[in-house]
Amino acid sequence: EIVMTQSPATLSVSPGERVTLSCRASQSVSTNLAWYQQKLGQAPRLLIYGASTRATGIPARFSGSGSGTEFTLSISSLQSEDFAVYYCQQYNNWPPLTFGGGTKVEIK
Amino acid sequence: QVQLVESGGGLVKPGGSLRLSCAASGFTFSDYYMSWIRQAPGKGLEWLSYISRFGSTIYYADSVKGRFTISRDNAGNSLYLQMNNLRADDTAVYYCAKRQTLGGVLFDYWGRGTLVTVSS
Repeated sequence: EIVMTQSPATLSVSPGERVTLSCRASQSVSTNLAWYQQKLGQAPRLLIYGASTRATGIPARFSGSGSGTEFTLSISSLQSEDFAVYYCQQYNNWPPLTFGGGTKVEIK
Repeated sequence: QVQLVESGGGLVKPGGSLRLSCAASGFTFSDYYMSWIRQAPGKGLEWLSYISRFGSTIYYADSVKGRFTISRDNAGNSLYLQMNNLRADDTAVYYCAKRQTLGGVLFDYWGRGTLVTVSS
């Protein structure tokens, strides 16, 4: 089973700042990596797939990069609606599909 | 628009059973692979099960293998999860999710979830 590790667990950020979230895989997942955003009480929303391709309707301030075992999700200028928990998911080697533990982006 | 609506959650005693349903609309249900994913209170996401378009391919997480059964009714646009021998650590919000057409096994639409609480 591929273990996905996200860091940090929590990020305290001011609106307008740039943020970078990390996701590490226990073995290579190539670029078969997705990012989701989950707001409190809501279902997850797909942001990025293929490590760097934005899903339909996702603003350009969200970008993903990486391959192999190291990945990042960047938000260029944090908006109020971006405060949420972010999860990565690998789909290279499954079952099982595996998610990271999440990074909470909170208001500083 | 795509809608996934889960139902069937509730309070059940350890060892009991529940059947979750997911009603799909806004897309051709039989064209898509589907999954169940859960989230324990305050925790992250855990993939549980996956079913191909006509049910010929099914996968389970080890944590539910032998206890949970995924199925689908394409004529009725519904996905199901039969859960038997429930345990306290099965307490979670259960989501159904639609696999995206392109780009691998990831999920472009999720329902709002249904809460399952396993407690005596």
